[in-house]
Amino acid sequence: QSALTQPPSASGSPGQSVTISCTGTSSDVGGYNYVSWYQQHPGKAPKLMIFEVNKRPSGVPDRFSGSKSGNTASLTVSGLQAEDEADYYCSSYADNNIHYVFGTGTKVTVL
Amino acid sequence: QVQVVQSGADVKKPGASVKVSCQTSGYTFITYAVHWVRQAPGQRLEWMGWISPDNGHTKYSQKFQGRVTITRDASASTVYMDLSSLRYEDTAVYYCARAGSAWSIDYWGQGTLVTVSS
Repeated sequence: QSALTQPPSASGSPGQSVTISCTGTSSDVGGYNYVSWYQQHPGKAPKLMIFEVNKRPSGVPDRFSGSKSGNTASLTVSGLQAEDEADYYCSSYADNNIHYVFGTGTKVTVL
Repeated sequence: QVQVVQSGADVKKPGASVKVSCQTSGYTFITYAVHWVRQAPGQRLEWMGWISPDNGHTKYSQKFQGRVTITRDASASTVYMDLSSLRYEDTAVYYCARAGSAWSIDYWGQGTLVTVSS
């Protein structure tokens, strides 16, 4: 099963920013504005952080922002805090009978 | 408030089937699709399929096509995921989750650990 490509890890000091990329194809990320981002702490269920490329659900801090250019989407966490240390996954609607796909996941470490 | 509550952990032998339930509350059941996503130990999230509770229409990942069946009982606001011909590599936490706006997944269940072991 195909997956969107994310870097395995990213890190930053408290207060700094970190940006995670999510690369797909024109059949998923590049073709639709249906990119979402999820945060997952160890042993917990994922939590929706961004939907429709750059929209934040109620309750998600504005330190989290999303963008997209071509086949690559990005999540930026500004003003890093200790509680931001987690795994992050992107996802996208996909055509060609694939329907839906997640990214490979990125572990964010707050130094 | 929206709640998604799954059945408890289960242990199955290779070749058997498992059925995981997912009871929802706090919203109009037939209005939102429900996804199933799994996560093997230390691995990434993997989409399995989804169901439209209003008409029972389903879509499955090609990887699980033929082995997974998602059904619903609208009277109980509950969705079920049946996975057959279990293999050791099906050991994972299985999540059900409500579909949100623009193909997002906004409310997740607590997860159900399914262990395949002889």
